[in-house]
Amino acid sequence: QQQVKQSPQSLIVQKGGISIINCAYENTAFDYFPWYQQFPGKGPALLIAIRPDVSEKKEGRFTISFNKSAKQFSLHIMDSQPGDSATYFCAARGRGSTLGRLYFGRGTQLTVWP
Amino acid sequence: ETGVTQTPRHLVMGMTNKKSLKCEQHLGHNAMYWYKQSAKKPLELMFVYNFKEQTENNSVPSRFSPECPNSSHLFLHLHTLQPEDSALYLCASSQGGGAVNEQFFGPGTRLTVL
Repeated sequence: QQQVKQSPQSLIVQKGGISIINCAYENTAFDYFPWYQQFPGKGPALLIAIRPDVSEKKEGRFTISFNKSAKQFSLHIMDSQPGDSATYFCAARGRGSTLGRLYFGRGTQLTVWP
Repeated sequence: ETGVTQTPRHLVMGMTNKKSLKCEQHLGHNAMYWYKQSAKKPLELMFVYNFKEQTENNSVPSRFSPECPNSSHLFLHLHTLQPEDSALYLCASSQGGGAVNEQFFGPGTRLTVL
């Protein structure tokens, strides 16, 4: 059973537009929700993360919106740039998991056209 | 070298071969992980080591054999693999413990089993 469901699988956005990627989870024991960005030939790298006691976190052009009651969270990329073209993974970590076992979504391949 | 390094970056092997993947982290972390990344599937956690001790084996077939001689090095020994084992194998490390536990990934080894 997939613990974290991510959509869409692929996304094409015009330069300057807003990219939105959505994730949903079932396990209420998750307490940490990171987003990873992966470029071709590279490993995933942490982009931004949120804990469920806040509804939004913003870092530059990247914002996570978190809806605890709906068990959903999303990544918004404002003013999308061609350099943002990459695969994005949402993830969730179990509460009390000190070693940080992460459950990943399937990934969204984002293409930003100039 | 900085971060997490993996060698080789690419590997082609036959089903009867024996090979090993190597991972080294230069971050002073105590936890190390092996993940399998297949196309259009979530990252799959394979093994977790904390202070050289295996803490998790996610039902991985015995044809994959991990080894962690110290907190900085992690190996994945491969033997009699199947074509469906072809994937990107990612190593990650983290500090372990604490409330937030970012995992740092290496660039991966692209494995092709003929």
